[in-house]
Amino acid sequence: QKEVEQNSGPLSVPEGAIASLNCTYSDRVSQSFFWYRQYSGKSPELIMSIYSNGDKEDGRFTAQLNKASQYVSLLIRDSQPSDSATYLCAVNTIMEYGNKLVFGAGTILRVKS
Amino acid sequence: EAQVTQNPRYLITVTGKKLTVTCSQNMNHEYMSWYRQDPGLGLRQIYYSMNVEVTDKGDVPEGYKVSRKEKRNFPLILESPSPNQTSLYFCASSLSGRGLTNYGYTFGSGTRLTVV
Repeated sequence: QKEVEQNSGPLSVPEGAIASLNCTYSDRVSQSFFWYRQYSGKSPELIMSIYSNGDKEDGRFTAQLNKASQYVSLLIRDSQPSDSATYLCAVNTIMEYGNKLVFGAGTILRVKS
Repeated sequence: EAQVTQNPRYLITVTGKKLTVTCSQNMNHEYMSWYRQDPGLGLRQIYYSMNVEVTDKGDVPEGYKVSRKEKRNFPLILESPSPNQTSLYFCASSLSGRGLTNYGYTFGSGTRLTVV
């Protein structure tokens, strides 16, 4: 089992719709969680972080965390063609030697105008 | 401007010819890391550094070396590159690599390496 799993997609949504991206992780003691956006040929860019159960909103983005289910999601409201990218889920676990950040393989999102 | 600078952006080399990819950050970050990104496999950590002179292996360290003699620089060295090291490489830095933090990573622009 991979440490961080994401559906590779592509996930296609029409412009203006809500895009829902999901991620599961295997290490129950993981403490903080991140979503990165990566445009084709570019470097990942941090868009959201969350470490408490529940929802965290930032503009059109909402991150949701459920530690009991080991599940984190990203909702993008009013999706725009410019949101078309690969979204990487990253899970941070505090280890004896320091933090370990593990990335999922990413979900491709396509927003159609 | 706060940034992580990688060089070169593109590199084509031959098997066995030693190469170095440079990485420099101007944010006084303690933590730096190298990742490679391959289709379907996502970002996999090669090496990381908690601070100056402190480095350790990540998940895929074979065939790579690193050093951290100064806080701002973290070069990646391929002593004898092989075709299976053809990949997209990213350097990343973070304020700290310890504790319950929400420090995300800042990534460099990437280096696309082809070994023939």
